[in-house]
Amino acid sequence: DSGVTQTPKHLITATGQRVTLRCSPRSGDLSVYWYQQSLDQGLQFLIQYYNGEERAKGNILERFSAQQFPDLHSELNLSSLELGDSALYFCASSPRVNTEAFFGQGTRLTVV
Amino acid sequence: TQLLEQSPQFLSIQEGENLTVYCNSSSVFSSLQWYRQEPGEGPVLLVTVVTGGEVKKLKRLTFQFGDARKDSSLHITAAQTGDTGLYLCAGVEVGNEKLTFGTGTRLTIIP
Repeated sequence: DSGVTQTPKHLITATGQRVTLRCSPRSGDLSVYWYQQSLDQGLQFLIQYYNGEERAKGNILERFSAQQFPDLHSELNLSSLELGDSALYFCASSPRVNTEAFFGQGTRLTVV
Repeated sequence: TQLLEQSPQFLSIQEGENLTVYCNSSSVFSSLQWYRQEPGEGPVLLVTVVTGGEVKKLKRLTFQFGDARKDSSLHITAAQTGDTGLYLCAGVEVGNEKLTFGTGTRLTIIP
């Protein structure tokens, strides 16, 4: 158990809908990362927050947004969902920026 | 092009054999990590290397960071079926803050 909690574990939704994925980092970790992993693909970096502030952005679609709240939990919002958004979405946390990351179990999103 | 290229992409060997997987880049990294991921699970950190030329051992696994901090290797001695999984390297480029993952090596150990 990494100490990072992601909810929900599975999500099935229709095209055009909007969903919110939630992440609670390890106790004491200030940095949160979001990654997307499609079937048999590597981890694509989406976005990183540190202590509530956005620190780095990857190839995140405009339909996707995220934030980190004062209690350090983070949410990833995916809207106008398309079939191609079906993937595993992982959250990771670390104590500081530029250090090793500890991953949650992921949210498997299926868009039908 | 990927920042971190891993090779081979797939590797299937017999239990008891040795193997090496590679992680290469043209960029310099302030640190580099190796993770193992099993199907449906999140990656699990194996090791972090930070100094050029550094070698770290974790039981049968040996990790090396290149002298120029642009590449790394993972060597497994006497592979076991429990070593099966997706091995990912990840690093933070100097002057950057993104933790970028490599393309991955999918390792299968045959009993």
